[in-house]
Amino acid sequence: RKEVEQDPGPFNVPEGATVAFNCTYSNSASQSFFWYRQDCRKEPKLLMSVYSSGNEDGRFTAQLNRASQYISLLIRDSKLSDSATYLCVVKGGSQGNLIFGKGTKLSVKP
Amino acid sequence: GAGVSQSPRYKVAKRGQDVALRCDPISGHVSLFWYQQALGQGPEFLTYFQNEAQLDKSGLPSDRFFAERPEGSVSTLKIQRTQQEDSAVYLCASSLWPRQGARNEQYFGPGTRLTVT
Repeated sequence: RKEVEQDPGPFNVPEGATVAFNCTYSNSASQSFFWYRQDCRKEPKLLMSVYSSGNEDGRFTAQLNRASQYISLLIRDSKLSDSATYLCVVKGGSQGNLIFGKGTKLSVKP
Repeated sequence: GAGVSQSPRYKVAKRGQDVALRCDPISGHVSLFWYQQALGQGPEFLTYFQNEAQLDKSGLPSDRFFAERPEGSVSTLKIQRTQQEDSAVYLCASSLWPRQGARNEQYFGPGTRLTVT
């Protein structure tokens, strides 16, 4: 079982739609959680950290469920510019490295 | 401000050649990470430096891979006797972690796309 699992998609949605991505992780000792965004042939860019109480940044809302080892990202009012691959990322225990899921591809259509 | 920079951006190597990939982290970032990203996959961890110390190299796929960060700033990833399976994008990231309060938010460079022919 991979350490971080995501539905690869693609998710094809119209502009203005609300879309949700989910992710599960296997290491219960994981300490920090993030969503990164990666555009085609570009580097991953930090979208947001995920806090235990859940957090929101504009149209983006992230939730963490430690008991179920589950992380989610909700995007409201999708824009064409949201089209990208969204990477679920976990930092495990005392190790510094990040563990990435394979990513979920989102395509927002006019 | 200046982000993480990497050079070269693209590298084509013949099988068996040695290559050296450079990373310039964000100034003041203590930690530096190297990742390998194959097509259609998420980045996979290779190795990690805290200042000049290489604290984890568990992700290096073979002893042909070697990394250094001698002065705690610029880092070089070297691949000896390249093989076709080494073709990938090599990403460098830096972070303020483990400084007090830092959550290990890592900032990535644009990567080096290595193609071994």
